Amino acid sequence: EVQLVESGGGLVQPGGSLRLSCAASGFTFSSYAMSWVRQAPGKGLEWDSAISGSGGSTYYADSVKGRFTISRDNSKNTLYLQMNSLRAEDTAVYYCAKNFGEVGYYYYHMDVWGKGTTVTVSS
Amino acid sequence: QSVLTQPPSVSAAPGQKVTISCSGSSSNIGNNYVSWYQQLPGTAPKLLIYDNNKRPSGIPDRFSGSKSGTSATLGITGLQTGDEADYYCGTWDSSLSVYVFGTGTKVTVL
Repeated sequence: EVQLVESGGGLVQPGGSLRLSCAASGFTFSSYAMSWVRQAPGKGLEWDSAISGSGGSTYYADSVKGRFTISRDNSKNTLYLQMNSLRAEDTAVYYCAKNFGEVGYYYYHMDVWGKGTTVTVSS
Repeated sequence: QSVLTQPPSVSAAPGQKVTISCSGSSSNIGNNYVSWYQQLPGTAPKLLIYDNNKRPSGIPDRFSGSKSGTSATLGITGLQTGDEADYYCGTWDSSLSVYVFGTGTKVTVL
């Protein structure tokens, strides 16, 4: 069974940092691109970042570019999101998602989602 | 602000049909496949439709998808109380180089 389990969320002050992790199992992790998608309280879904299966290519939404860094350790089947310079508007549930297709291809989409981890940015 | 527009809500009685529209542009829906995601209350999103009209294993054929030009539509027939959820369309935007989601539609079973 394909499974994604996020961890690392919590309460952090504005300007602080946090690293999220996503442990993957049930599929060949290195063969698939992965994404982080957030959902602010009461709001819709927002794609933040993606990384290719090899880790050699990364993609970011403008809202997080320069502040967030996506990475992966294929030997540990784990995806990461390093979040720096956090703002109140970054408060959200962060979902890790397995991707189908190379990032940016016409058929690219998210086919399996984790349960999410909550990040709260507040003083 | 999302580049894909959906109606905020739709509703119908049990057993009836609802359709949810998703309007975009040539840089997203017009040139890429559309997916639909279902988010039941308090849970993570789940893939419902991919490649405009294909259903993952386990998704009943009551759910269907279609695309025409720069718009896509999700249809749900034989509506059940368990279908009450938020539904989002999604696709790649080739101009913005990001994956974009629709604004989301809440389905209510009357």
